[in-house]
Amino acid sequence: QSALTQPASVSGSPGQSITISCTGTSSDVGGYNYVSWYQQHPGKAPQLMIFDVTNRPSGVSNRFSGSKSGNTASLTISGLQAEDEADYYCTSYISGSTYVFGTGTKVTVL
Amino acid sequence: QVQLVQSGAEVKKPGASVKVSCKASGYTFTSHAMHWVRQAPGQRLEWMGWINIDNGDTKYSQRFQGRVTITRDTSASIAYMELSSLRSEDTAVYYCARVAGGANRSFDFWGQGTLVTVSS
Repeated sequence: QSALTQPASVSGSPGQSITISCTGTSSDVGGYNYVSWYQQHPGKAPQLMIFDVTNRPSGVSNRFSGSKSGNTASLTISGLQAEDEADYYCTSYISGSTYVFGTGTKVTVL
Repeated sequence: QVQLVQSGAEVKKPGASVKVSCKASGYTFTSHAMHWVRQAPGQRLEWMGWINIDNGDTKYSQRFQGRVTITRDTSASIAYMELSSLRSEDTAVYYCARVAGGANRSFDFWGQGTLVTVSS
């Protein structure tokens, strides 16, 4: 199973909105509504930001939102803040009870 | 509060095996599956496999099939990940991650990570 495809880097100025894409196939992203997004700061464990494509866990800022169209899921961060600078990974459930992560995106706040 | 505390860093020689533990607390251990994810230095997250804590069923990534074994000790609330036939490319931080549960298949809590270094 190949990794889901994400842009290597995305940047934006404070207050702007950015969107990170996560492209898979009809066997993973397109086939299930089990896409999650994780934020990882350097040297830290990942943290869940979005689950089931669009849902935010309690405690996660509403500046983070998720969506999906066909085989591509997206994470949008609005009102970009310095603390949002981190790596972001998508993941999807695949048939057979397995999972795959994305290639990861480094978000830089200019 | 939910906590996943992993065992300490390991240094292993090529060909050896390593067993990493993940002690859970703050919730009913048997109610949530546990996954293992690794991250080589400067690289992406990579899914390895998972275990149904309640019945012990496991599923592994094809990439690690035959080399990885995930087990659990329900009496001690500990999950284990053992990787055999280690090579230098297995040098990575290994994480355990709890499944949120119910219909939610995301990983809502993570261990702090365990660095495994494979070097001769």
